[in-house]
Amino acid sequence: DAGITQSPRHKVTETGTPVTLRCHQTENHRYMYWYRQDPGHGLRLIHYSYGVKDTDKGEVSDGYSVSRSKTEDFLLTLESATSSQTSVYFCAIGPGTTNEKLFFGSGTQLSVL
Amino acid sequence: AQKITQTQPGMFVQEKEAVTLDCTYDTSDPSYGLFWYKQPSSGEMIFLIYQGSYDQQNATEGRYSLNFQKARKSANLVISASQLGDSAMYFCAMRDRTQGGSEKLVFGKGTKLTVNP
Repeated sequence: DAGITQSPRHKVTETGTPVTLRCHQTENHRYMYWYRQDPGHGLRLIHYSYGVKDTDKGEVSDGYSVSRSKTEDFLLTLESATSSQTSVYFCAIGPGTTNEKLFFGSGTQLSVL
Repeated sequence: AQKITQTQPGMFVQEKEAVTLDCTYDTSDPSYGLFWYKQPSSGEMIFLIYQGSYDQQNATEGRYSLNFQKARKSANLVISASQLGDSAMYFCAMRDRTQGGSEKLVFGKGTKLTVNP
């Protein structure tokens, strides 16, 4: 299995507080992605990175920021969490060629109260 | 903008029968990849099968096959001889290049498959 770790696995926080989720990989893959999964919506791309300090927005990027200061770590930050950001967050990694599958982390269950 | 559509929110199949899960896509990029993932109730995302836009043959992986109809922009997943363990959410996804050259994977909303004994 691909070496990809998400932390924390579960988090409960209050509206208005900042939250940072971490994705760590040991595969040296170029691409890293953050998705959120909500019932009826499938997986929606938040942000992704195609190299150190190279990031781009996905379809639901409002309210989220990311950083990638080294190959192995990709951070997702909710600057001021809202209840609508309660979700399961998945990190995924991949080598960046069209025919290569992505490997997914185990997910982070975030509840914003 | 690319788009993946899965029109079946839920499907039921009897054990040992075959089932087809539908997926249509929309892209203007001639080079793209199509993937199917399985998500059991435990939550992990499991890769099942891949089809490239230039592949001439339909992809197969064990009991999984992909019915790729390029002109119709469809990439349906066929599961043969269904097993109880096939009960899960199934996601179709498409990977293509942005104008800037980076790649991203876009998912459909998923189909929940239930296999009945």
